[in-house]
Amino acid sequence: GAGVSQSPSNKVTEKGKDVELRCDPISGHTALYWYRQSLGQGLEFLIYFQGNSAPDKSGLPSDRFSAERTGGSVSTLTIQRTQQEDSAVYLCASSLGGSAGELFFGEGSRLTVL
Amino acid sequence: AQSVTQPDIHITVSEGASLELRCNYSYGATPYLFWYVQSPGQGLQLLLKYFSGDTLVQGIKGFEAEFKRSQSSFNLRKPSVHWSDAAEYFCAVGAKEYGNKLVFGAGTILRVKS
Repeated sequence: GAGVSQSPSNKVTEKGKDVELRCDPISGHTALYWYRQSLGQGLEFLIYFQGNSAPDKSGLPSDRFSAERTGGSVSTLTIQRTQQEDSAVYLCASSLGGSAGELFFGEGSRLTVL
Repeated sequence: AQSVTQPDIHITVSEGASLELRCNYSYGATPYLFWYVQSPGQGLQLLLKYFSGDTLVQGIKGFEAEFKRSQSSFNLRKPSVHWSDAAEYFCAVGAKEYGNKLVFGAGTILRVKS
């Protein structure tokens, strides 16, 4: 597609379950970002992939969070043993990379942990 | 470490009035600066960006922003606000020294009254 695609758009899960969120970036974009948006909290940086470099994981809030990017394209954000405080909108963005350029955002995946 | 401060959580202006949204950052080097807008139920869209050169940058929808190095600020302005400008506005900062990771402020919600 022409834009950044995220799935699922909505996910309701029970506390303690694992969830996977998927991001399909714009073709040719080498940089991929995950952010978390909670009510009144702005955008919290989680992780950043740039080409074949080691990802910047400095924003991951705990070891329950992990992400991978396969083949330099699709990325999956995994949250293990979900907690209620994980409820948020998870946003993926991609850019051409190289230098800090315009980020193109997906619509987000809204996660609700009951 | 990078940080971005948007001191105003909410701002209300009358339609036709001028607007200024504040953004301050903390960096050790020349930053890349961005303003994004998120309309209700929509993804984030880039309004404008500053990389170098002229410190007054023009963006879409009649917005402009001025980079003031001495004040570590990048305030967003619009001379005459329209009702359709009601949205949440995010300032973001990146730098090569930090691997071009973009850090966002907490956002400012703009309400426009008729």
